[in-house]
Amino acid sequence: SAVISQKPSRDICQRGTSLTIQCQVDSQVTMMFWYRQQPGQSLTLIATANQGSEATYESGFVIDKFPISRPNLTFSTLTVSNMSPEDSSIYLCSVEGTAMNTEAFFGQGTRLTVV
Amino acid sequence: AQSVAQPEDQVNVAEGNPLTVKCTYSVSGNPYLFWYVQYPNRGLQFLLKYITGDNLVKGSYGFEAEFNKSQTSFHLKKPSALVSDSALYFCAVRDDYKLSFGAGTTVTVRA
Repeated sequence: SAVISQKPSRDICQRGTSLTIQCQVDSQVTMMFWYRQQPGQSLTLIATANQGSEATYESGFVIDKFPISRPNLTFSTLTVSNMSPEDSSIYLCSVEGTAMNTEAFFGQGTRLTVV
Repeated sequence: AQSVAQPEDQVNVAEGNPLTVKCTYSVSGNPYLFWYVQYPNRGLQFLLKYITGDNLVKGSYGFEAEFNKSQTSFHLKKPSALVSDSALYFCAVRDDYKLSFGAGTTVTVRA
């Protein structure tokens, strides 16, 4: 299993500003994932972060809005840029094995409220 | 693409009664199925998974799940629910290197 530290755990931000969320893993992992969980909804994958290359974004998510860094095999950041109230969500970092039969492990999440 | 469906938004049971949370799947090829639980203000915690083999999978906190290929289902079960099992439950399927989640089912166990 992997232990994932995510911070901040929550924040209240003004619209138009940006917030950077950090994700630290206790072991080296190839792939890290960022999810969004809008209020009362399921998890939606934002992007996959690989060390040494640009993140791969899912349909509906763009790098200008959600820039991601992956400087090494244990750390990643997600920035939510130019925030609006619609960005109010829980953002979750996840790591998974590359094998199909491995489970994912999640950080505690960052609860973001944009006012 | 692989997908899962959770037909119930909410499940309410009395403490001590059996708990079932339903999940059906749609996959091409072999399914890799997972259950996760999310407690308030917490991240997701892994409960159990089905990869291959025994259709009855046992997991954490006394939960188990039954894989049924003919009904394309992977229902989560607990023989005797606890108030502390009240949480949001997600079924998920491996879709290439990603996980695809169901909509979630809120479980409330009343004392």
